[in-house]
Amino acid sequence: GQQVMQIPQYQHVQEGEDFTTYCNSSTTLSNIQWYKQRPGGHPVFLIQLVKSGEVKKQKRLTFQFGEAKKNSSLHITATQTTDVGTYFCIIMEYGNKLVFGAGTILRVKS
Amino acid sequence: DSGVTQTPKHLITATGQRVTLRCSPRSGDLSVYWYQQSLDQGLQFLIQYYNGEERAKGNILERFSAQQFPDLHSELNLSSLELGDSALYFCASSVGAGIGIEQFFGPGTRLTVL
Repeated sequence: GQQVMQIPQYQHVQEGEDFTTYCNSSTTLSNIQWYKQRPGGHPVFLIQLVKSGEVKKQKRLTFQFGEAKKNSSLHITATQTTDVGTYFCIIMEYGNKLVFGAGTILRVKS
Repeated sequence: DSGVTQTPKHLITATGQRVTLRCSPRSGDLSVYWYQQSLDQGLQFLIQYYNGEERAKGNILERFSAQQFPDLHSELNLSSLELGDSALYFCASSVGAGIGIEQFFGPGTRLTVL
């Protein structure tokens, strides 16, 4: 089945530093979604990207969809302690099966 | 609060047993999804129902089954439980069933198999 590779697995940053997580697929994607899961919590929808080269911003978060629609990134500018959690991408493969990236765990030192 | 409810919050049982997890979607949502989250395998999609019908199947074991009832609540049945089934089970719901629909996750049921 379709795979999505998410990197890095883990990142520990100083508060105020930037953070980026990447999702890469070997095949062209129809769309990609990003979710955040706080420690002890449940996943919460952040955004969906559909168009080639699309860039969307939510305050300090910037989401990009690659031109070939095979990769995507989530960038956080000037991290805060409230940004801690695990960030997942989700793709849909043939047969409507949802596939999660492994997630990137973000820890922020204050 | 996402509006999705799951019961019970915690469940402790023994190997070989059978359990039922329950999910009530947000009001108006027709789709229900089930996920398993374990430490070693991350989040795995199990199955999706839309308006009572199975719509997509993921990595769901044959020992597991699910259904969505006419009132749209859903149940996930896990039987012949093994130690490796210990995990957090999430239910999510969405308005529609198509690509790119935002899902709202419930708080999860933590299953411990001893």
